[in-house]
Amino acid sequence: GNSVTQMEGPVTLSEEAFLTINCTYTATGYPSLFWYVQYPGEGLQLLLKATKADDKGSNKGFEATYRKETTSFHLEKGSVQVSDSAVYFCALEERTGANSKLTFGKGITLSVRP
Amino acid sequence: GAVVSQHPSWVICKSGTSVKIECRSLDFQATTMFWYRQFPKQSLMLMATSNEGSKATYEQGVEKDKFLINHASLTLSTLTVTSAHPEDSSFYICSARGTGASYNEQFFGPGTRLTVL
Repeated sequence: GNSVTQMEGPVTLSEEAFLTINCTYTATGYPSLFWYVQYPGEGLQLLLKATKADDKGSNKGFEATYRKETTSFHLEKGSVQVSDSAVYFCALEERTGANSKLTFGKGITLSVRP
Repeated sequence: GAVVSQHPSWVICKSGTSVKIECRSLDFQATTMFWYRQFPKQSLMLMATSNEGSKATYEQGVEKDKFLINHASLTLSTLTVTSAHPEDSSFYICSARGTGASYNEQFFGPGTRLTVL
């Protein structure tokens, strides 16, 4: 079956530091890949996505590239801000016809210090 | 746009009672709604998928008689945990997806924390 593996957390960084959060996946087909973010007290929000190999998703300074050869979708940001403190989930989606299913990683908590 | 709400945000109940959780799409019509369960420090696990007006499709290992799902309208789905026990204590999250380019992704509610005493 499908699975998503995220690096263990939590992660604590100083403001303006470089961020990398690793994510690898196992899938039987050709999934779409996502990063979701959950700010305190709020629901999950889509941060970025990529639907095929070599696609790069980007949003709010975050980037992730769909690497089929390494089955990875690592999240990066060049300079984090305190407002980026949140829980980040990597996920994949496989669609069969009209049906689809999201498979999530465990999530990782990011704390950014001023 | 694309806001999904859940009610209640938290609930405490006694063992043996039933609890109903509501999930609403506030500004779009949700043709499909999903229910997830999240344990501490674990990922979201899909419990079931429901399409408006039809029976929910449950994931393997999820008891359909224990977790009753109703998706009677395009803006409301409910999850009823029947005869709740302490092991049902968890964080329940719903998501909703509509149609068209603007809503063809899952939008998540803020979750409901259930504690069964």
